[in-house]
Amino acid sequence: KQEVTQIPAALSVPEGENLVLNCSFTDSAIYNLQWFRQDPGKGLTSLLLIQSSQREQTSGRLNASLDKSSGRSTLYIAASQPGDSATYLCAVSNAGNMLTFGGGTRLMVKP
Amino acid sequence: DVKVTQSSRYLVKRTGEKVFLECVQDMDHENMFWYRQDPGLGLRLIYFSYDVKMKEKGDIPEGYSVSREKKERFSLILESASTNQTSMYLCASSLLRGATTSTDTQYFGPGTRLTVL
Repeated sequence: KQEVTQIPAALSVPEGENLVLNCSFTDSAIYNLQWFRQDPGKGLTSLLLIQSSQREQTSGRLNASLDKSSGRSTLYIAASQPGDSATYLCAVSNAGNMLTFGGGTRLMVKP
Repeated sequence: DVKVTQSSRYLVKRTGEKVFLECVQDMDHENMFWYRQDPGLGLRLIYFSYDVKMKEKGDIPEGYSVSREKKERFSLILESASTNQTSMYLCASSLLRGATTSTDTQYFGPGTRLTVL
């Protein structure tokens, strides 16, 4: 059974820092990996989707990488801002568009 | 833009009540999903559906049922609510029917925070 782990569980950084969130998964037979953002009490918003054949995806200050063979992904956030404060969730897709989620990293960016 | 709406943001019910959580998507998506989210346990899949009148159990279906009478609407039913069903419930939808694809993503609703007293 697929298991997804995110480290760290929580992170607090000063504004302007570059930071890296980590995600690992146990079964490398995935179709894609996604990073989501969740604000307190809200639903999930998709940030980046990396197909299994890809190595990375970029959107603005966000860059996500995927190393399928080692079962790892990182989300890099450049020049962090207070508005980036949220929980970031990693999810992998196996057959049938089923998603398995990690526990999330709760990020706080202090002004 | 894809829009997934859920009938209530907050709901308070009593133990033993029958509870209906409604989810509607407006983009003609084939797949719909119900999750619950709890601190320390993350998101767990309760039920999903690939088509009208079709349903499949997820990881934690016990105590729940679902209904999909129309393509755009997927309902989660708690037949007899219990305190351990107090949680945040999230609905999601995605485009492609059941098939394996590397580009499909799920779109989430805003969530319903259910409290069972």
